[in-house]
Amino acid sequence: KQEVTQIPAALSVPEGENLVLNCSFTDSAIYNLQWFRQDPGKGLTSLLLIQSSQREQTSGRLNASLDKSSGRSTLYIAASQPGDSATYLCAVLASGGSYIPTFGRGTSLIVHP
Amino acid sequence: GAVVSQHPSRVICKSGTSVKIECRSLDFQATTMFWYRQFPKQSLMLMATSNEGSKATYEQGVEKDKFLINHASLTLSTLTVTSAHPEDSSFYICSARLGLAGYTQYFGPGTRLTVL
Repeated sequence: KQEVTQIPAALSVPEGENLVLNCSFTDSAIYNLQWFRQDPGKGLTSLLLIQSSQREQTSGRLNASLDKSSGRSTLYIAASQPGDSATYLCAVLASGGSYIPTFGRGTSLIVHP
Repeated sequence: GAVVSQHPSRVICKSGTSVKIECRSLDFQATTMFWYRQFPKQSLMLMATSNEGSKATYEQGVEKDKFLINHASLTLSTLTVTSAHPEDSSFYICSARLGLAGYTQYFGPGTRLTVL
């Protein structure tokens, strides 16, 4: 059974810092990995999707990397801003079977001015 | 991009009543929809997988008579919480998967249910 772990569970940083959020998974047979953002009381916003054949994806100040062999992904946020404050969820879609994603518990990020 | 909507976004009801939540794929046909539940500061927990025209598949521990799921068309799935109790208060999120064009899911904005 796939297990997804996100570290740290919570993070509070001053504005302007570069951040690294970590996601690890136990089964490397994945179809893709996706990073989401969730604001309090809101649904999920997809940030980056990395297919199993890819090593990284970039969007603006965000960069996500994938290392399937070691079961790890990182989300890098450059020059953090207060508007980045949210919970970041990692979801791994295992290949084969039902193709249902397994979510981590998220990293709660606060960026203070 | 693919858009999924949910209605209502927020509902407050009395204990013992039933509540229906709708999930719609607005610009694509979804043969499969998923219902998740999220408790405060917790991750999403899959409740059931819903395929159009067939019975939903419930995850272990989810009462199918409590959480009725109907997927009558390729763009609409409904979740009915029957005889709701305060412990059913939660954030319910649906997602939809594009037909045969891959396995990526697109998520709705969620519905906050509060049972008094």
